[in-house]
Amino acid sequence: GQQLNQSPQSMFIQEGEDVSMNCTSSSIFNTWLWYKQDPGEGPVLLIALYKAGELTSNGRLTAQFGITRKDSFLNISASIPSDVGIYFCAGQNYGGSQGNLIFGKGTKLSVKP
Amino acid sequence: DSGVTQTPKHLITATGQRVTLRCSPRSGDLSVYWYQQSLDQGLQFLIQYYNGEERAKGNILERFSAQQFPDLHSELNLSSLELGDSALYFCASSLRLAANTGELFFGEGSRLTVL
Repeated sequence: GQQLNQSPQSMFIQEGEDVSMNCTSSSIFNTWLWYKQDPGEGPVLLIALYKAGELTSNGRLTAQFGITRKDSFLNISASIPSDVGIYFCAGQNYGGSQGNLIFGKGTKLSVKP
Repeated sequence: DSGVTQTPKHLITATGQRVTLRCSPRSGDLSVYWYQQSLDQGLQFLIQYYNGEERAKGNILERFSAQQFPDLHSELNLSSLELGDSALYFCASSLRLAANTGELFFGEGSRLTVL
């Protein structure tokens, strides 16, 4: 089946630093999404990307849908302690009767105040 | 609060046993998804239901089954449990069949520990 390779697996950064993480796939997706999971919670959608080459921002977060449709990255600028959590990329090919997302294994972010 | 309710939050049981996890989707959402999250595998899609009918199947074991009831709540049944079934099980919901905005609303999960 389709698999997503997400890197890095974990990051330890200082408050105020910028963060970059990415996701690659061996096959194309129609939609790329980035979710964040806080400790003890379920994942929450941060950004959704629908077109190849699309660059979208949500506050300090910026994500891009790769031009080949096989990759995406997420940047977080000026990190703060509440950015701590696990960030998941997800790919989706919708249409027909299916809408399930394929998730990467996550990037665990730790922020030192 | 996503509006998706999962029970129980924690469950400890023994190998060979059977458990049922329950999910109530957000009000008005017709589609329910089950995901398994283990430490080394991330979020694995198990199964999707839409308005009571199974619509997509992922990496769901034969020992596992699910259903969605007329009131749209869903149950995931796990039987003949093995140590490797220990994981966090998430339910998610979306309004439409194909969740074409990509936005699934996740519950807080049910943590299953098999001893």
